[in-house]
Amino acid sequence: SQTIHQWPATLVQPVGSPLSLECTVEGTSNPNLYWYRQAAGRGLQLLFYSVGIGQISSEVPQNLSASRPQDRQFILSSKKLLLSDSGFYLCAWSVLGTRAFFGQGTRLTVV
Amino acid sequence: RKEVEQDPGPFNVPEGATVAFNCTYSNSASQSFFWYRQDCRKEPKLLMSVYSSGNEDGRFTAQLNRASQYISLLIRDSKLSDSATYLCVVNPNTNAGKSTFGDGTTLTVKP
Repeated sequence: SQTIHQWPATLVQPVGSPLSLECTVEGTSNPNLYWYRQAAGRGLQLLFYSVGIGQISSEVPQNLSASRPQDRQFILSSKKLLLSDSGFYLCAWSVLGTRAFFGQGTRLTVV
Repeated sequence: RKEVEQDPGPFNVPEGATVAFNCTYSNSASQSFFWYRQDCRKEPKLLMSVYSSGNEDGRFTAQLNRASQYISLLIRDSKLSDSATYLCVVNPNTNAGKSTFGDGTTLTVKP
């Protein structure tokens, strides 16, 4: 069966520090991978999506970047966090035409 | 205009009420459709897929209107446990595309 792992669950980081969130998927091949951010009380904002290794599409200009070094690994990074980067970050995967599966999310607080 | 738009919330209804949410999408080539449920501070989880002929799962009924490009979710006999945010999701017809989420509609069922 397919599973998705996302960690850490919570993170408190100071402004200006780097960020690395990792997401891995098991039990499927060549999935579409997504990073979303959700501010408190708001909808999901798509940050990045990837249809294959090394293929990253950015949806909004921002202080973040994403990489896909392996088929089932998706990494969200920042060199210097801003206060506005705080939020609930969700990784998800899907295959053609099917439902998206979400990781449990990382609650990031930048202080 | 957003690719996927949902009824603005919140919806506050008494137990036992019937409530309906609509979601419109702009890409007429969209292939598949879903409703997700998101509880507070949790990841979204699939509630039900939406089929062309409409489908029902217990108290929940989903419908698709391709001509008018909207999907709907009807909840009958609302329970307190139905309180959550409901997200509609629209998938493209190619693997190169991305799942697009609506911003969600918040439902609160009160005793």
